[in-house]
Amino acid sequence: DAMVIQNPRYQVTQFGKPVTLSCSQTLNHNVMYWYQQKSSQAPKLLFHYYDKDFNNEADTPDNFQSRRPNTSFCFLDIRSPGLGDAAMYLCATSRGQGSYNEQFFGPGTRLTVL
Amino acid sequence: AQSVSQHNHHVILSEAASLELGCNYSYGGTVNLFWYVQYPGQHLQLLLKYFSGDPLVKGIKGFEAEFIKSKFSFNLRKPSVQWSDTAEYFCAVNAEQGGKLIFGQGTELSVKP
Repeated sequence: DAMVIQNPRYQVTQFGKPVTLSCSQTLNHNVMYWYQQKSSQAPKLLFHYYDKDFNNEADTPDNFQSRRPNTSFCFLDIRSPGLGDAAMYLCATSRGQGSYNEQFFGPGTRLTVL
Repeated sequence: AQSVSQHNHHVILSEAASLELGCNYSYGGTVNLFWYVQYPGQHLQLLLKYFSGDPLVKGIKGFEAEFIKSKFSFNLRKPSVQWSDTAEYFCAVNAEQGGKLIFGQGTELSVKP
């Protein structure tokens, strides 16, 4: 089945220690998104790639970076995680960038910061 | 700024009860509307969507939603819930060319067998 895969499902890191979360897709979609979802809150868009074009949300902290080396993979790098970065991180894809495009979500990676 | 409001944070129902989850959004222009569901331990998946046309849309698993433009609402309904409907439900709005989804905070539905 075509899908969005996130690894690992659970990630524990130490305060200030860089961490990378991974997302891959077999849907061959052009757009890949990263969302942050804190407990009891709505998912919040951090940034997205349309093909190789990176689009950062205005309020995404500089601490968060992303890479998309090819169509299938996208990475979320947190350079110096703080306690406030503990959250579920969701990856999503869509065929196109317009508002009519359904987004397909991965299972998420739950990040714990010690 | 655009926002989405889901009025109920946690709803508890018995099986066969009827369900209505409220969703209101703030945006004056054309919107596309979505309901997503997240079953325990699973990923977010699309229940239904509204782009245009008939304001009453039907989705998977017997769910439907009604878009009422004058009320800026897109409430989710199901006539008779099942235990397997226990999940978290998210309303989302997309009002920009860039495809940015704005999510509500979610409603946790617990269905008692």
